[in-house]
This record gives sequence, structure tokens and C-alpha cells, in this order.
Amino acid sequence: NAGVTQTPKFRVLKTGQSMTLLCAQDMNHEYMYWYRQDPGMGLRLIHYSVGEGTTAKGEVPDGYNVSRLKKQNFLLGLESAAPSQTSVYFCASSYSRGKNEQFFGPGTRLTVL
Amino acid sequence: DQQVKQNSPSLSVQEGRISILNCDYTNSMFDYFLWYKKYPAEGPTFLISISSIKDKNEDGRFTVFLNKSAKHLSLHIVPSQPGDSAVYFCAASTLLRQAGTALIFGKGTTLSVSS
Repeated sequence: NAGVTQTPKFRVLKTGQSMTLLCAQDMNHEYMYWYRQDPGMGLRLIHYSVGEGTTAKGEVPDGYNVSRLKKQNFLLGLESAAPSQTSVYFCASSYSRGKNEQFFGPGTRLTVL
Repeated sequence: DQQVKQNSPSLSVQEGRISILNCDYTNSMFDYFLWYKKYPAEGPTFLISISSIKDKNEDGRFTVFLNKSAKHLSLHIVPSQPGDSAVYFCAASTLLRQAGTALIFGKGTTLSVSS
């Protein structure tokens, strides 16, 4: 049982390049989330999904797109990377809506030059 | 404006003593609170939670206290151990429009426990 895994762990992009971050969970969770954490800040929600084939915007969605084609995977895309997207990205999942904890992946450290 | 605030960026405690980490929130609609612990280069891991209908929840060395009238919660670690050295995030749970639950995080408090 690997929990929540993220690929890649590190990535350096040039401004304008695109990339996709992959999140996978093996806990059969319905809900999945993408957060970003900037230095000295808490985590902020980018996008989330309440089930296969559904996605919705969070607090800071601009510049990102997401897809949830399979229940276990949640992809975060950057179409044209900008230096402001330099951050650590965390994926999380949870069993259901409500009072239960979210399980986090180890993070992807992205630098945009 | 920050809805969840951790006003102490860092805390240093000696091994065996009590660590008290504080958190304030502004939204009275929050009804569930969580504490996460984070080591460098790892994702946050869930530590303990509390519902707004309670004022205390205990799990081993960790106790969370909630004061709804003051919109304040605190995490007590007794006794503190060097392995507790990490960043601690306070989070409030809020329901999202399209189902699901978002966590609103504070900026974190770095706890250092010296032996």
C-alpha cells in the first residue's frame, strides 16, 4: 500500500514550457486535491476532484489545468510555465466529503527559470 | 486575509518538556480542525483533529484544545521528544461548493526539540 505517490519529485522548467505532474493513490479514495506551498506560506488549494471525470477550481487555479480520467490518478498540467509557479506541489486524497483527514503525497519541487 | 493564523513561526523546547503550538481562526463557520506535521522533503502527515462540538481531543502524547468563543486552538505535546522536531500546520476544514472538503492552512510553526 503506497498511499499517495507523485511523479516527478523535482523538475526545472524554462518560462513558457509545459509539463504534467502525476498523482496516484491506491486507497480507492473518491476525492483528490492539488495544493501548492510557497516559502513561508501554508498550502493553498489549486484544483480538486470529487470523482472520476470531475474537476473543480480551488483558491489559486489560474495557469493550471487538471484531469481525472481514472479514479486513482489526478493530473496537474502547466500549459505555459511562469516563474510565479515555482513552488512545491502536493497532491492529497480523502475517502469522502466531511470530517476526515486528507492524505498527502511527498510533493514535487518545481522551479521555473 | 488569512483565515487561519499561526503567529509563532518557531518554537524551541527541551526534551521532556511540554510544547504548546497555537492557532487562531477568523471564520466562525469552520467546524473541524486538524493538525499536520511535516518533515523536510516530505508531505504533511495527519496528527490529530477536533470537531467544533468538542473542546478537547487526546491521542497519546498529543492533545488539541479548542476554544470556540476565542476562535483559538492549541496543540500540546507532552513530553516533547527530539523526533517531534518538524513544521506543524494548523488547518480548518471547509466544505467546497462541488462537494469535497478543502483544508485552509496556517503558515506553520517550526518546532525544535533539543536533547
